[in-house]
Amino acid sequence: DAGVIQSPRHEVTEMGQEVTLRCKPISGHNSLFWYRQTMMRGLELLIYFNNNVPIDDSGMPEDRFSAKMPNASFSTLKIQPSEPRDSAVYFCASSLREYDSPLHFGNGTRLTVT
Amino acid sequence: QQPVQSPQAVILREGEDAVINCSSSKALYSVHWYRQKHGEAPVFLMILLKGGEQKGHDKISASFNEKKQQSSLYLTASQLSYSGTYFCGTVQTGANNLFFGTGTRLTVIP
Repeated sequence: DAGVIQSPRHEVTEMGQEVTLRCKPISGHNSLFWYRQTMMRGLELLIYFNNNVPIDDSGMPEDRFSAKMPNASFSTLKIQPSEPRDSAVYFCASSLREYDSPLHFGNGTRLTVT
Repeated sequence: QQPVQSPQAVILREGEDAVINCSSSKALYSVHWYRQKHGEAPVFLMILLKGGEQKGHDKISASFNEKKQQSSLYLTASQLSYSGTYFCGTVQTGANNLFFGTGTRLTVIP
């Protein structure tokens, strides 16, 4: 299996622009997670889906962030408008059964907002 | 809700042992352990479920004491490849969230 695939690997954008991060989970995995990693806050859960349905989005910072999972093989995380404080590494992960099975992380998207 | 890890950093010589601790103020359902190398994604090591579980593979093992809401990761006879940041992730009883600790940076030197 190719593992969790994220794109792009790096994104540099100006404040105010829209940013879309993409994720393809491992085939057969029912749960998908978006995490954000920064030096100050560590690894934070933003949102997770189970069977394409959002289960917990309490970690989404504010209305500027939105996530969708239109089907079992694709998810997006959108930031509009972006701000410098959004700069971080964004990881997508998937698992067979929510937190009862290992999380497999993608390689992440390093976002820089100037 | 974020678990507390200790130590924050440790330096070992090859062949030495290390213990990394993870504790929570909440009742726990399970504990995950991951290792992340610089510039890479976290990689799964093991999951421990409530029941006083102890797991291991190769020379890395872990224990989970649900009564104390604590887990420990044991690395024996460390190798250079063990270097990285180790994260515990805790799932609270009745919750649907995995909170990661702040990490323990492990450096193994020759």
